[in-house]
Amino acid sequence: QVQLVQSGSELKKPGASVKISCKASGYSFTNYAINWVRQAPGQGLQWMGWINTNTGNPIYAQGSTGRFVFSLDTSVSTAYLQIRSLKADDSAVYYCARGRPDTFDVWGLGTMVTVSS
Amino acid sequence: QSVLTQPPSVSGALGQRVTISCTGSRSNIGAGYDVWWYQQLPGTAPKLLISFNTNRPSGVPDRFSGSKSGTSASLAITGLQAEDEADYYCQSYDSTLKGDFVFGTGTKVTVL
Repeated sequence: QVQLVQSGSELKKPGASVKISCKASGYSFTNYAINWVRQAPGQGLQWMGWINTNTGNPIYAQGSTGRFVFSLDTSVSTAYLQIRSLKADDSAVYYCARGRPDTFDVWGLGTMVTVSS
Repeated sequence: QSVLTQPPSVSGALGQRVTISCTGSRSNIGAGYDVWWYQQLPGTAPKLLISFNTNRPSGVPDRFSGSKSGTSASLAITGLQAEDEADYYCQSYDSTLKGDFVFGTGTKVTVL
């Protein structure tokens, strides 16, 4: 079946980096974009941007700090989100979601990132 | 601070009808951009509920319906069920954010 499988929880120290993966299966990976959405504890959804899986071109949400990097490995149908120079308020659940790039019809289960010294 | 405002919470008894508003502006919903709705059950990932203002994906019960008018959109749940207790988010585009997607502030639905 169509699914997005995300990597497991991460515990990182402030200033470190983290790279989350999102592996697609059950459909043609390059036919859909991958969006990234984050949700801080007890908070709402925040769209981070999307990546064109055909061209690899990333689109980041306005106001992004430049610490987020979207990338792909189409040979294994996987999208990645890297967050550099982690801060405590980056602690959140990060979701990948399939889209065109709108209509987020399939979501990963989420990856919890905890940033703590 | 989201540009799409939803009531923090709504509640209703089993079998009742509830509506969730999503209030935007002329730079998003009022500009004619489409609206999507997502349901997030406790501790789970969001799930697509309504696409392109009114369309229900396959498998979504017909007690969920969406509408849009002017600068606002609404999600209605008729015949409220216990399993509908969840957080609901609207989503649209915003031209002041150069076409970024934006989510609403979210609404917690409680079934009494």
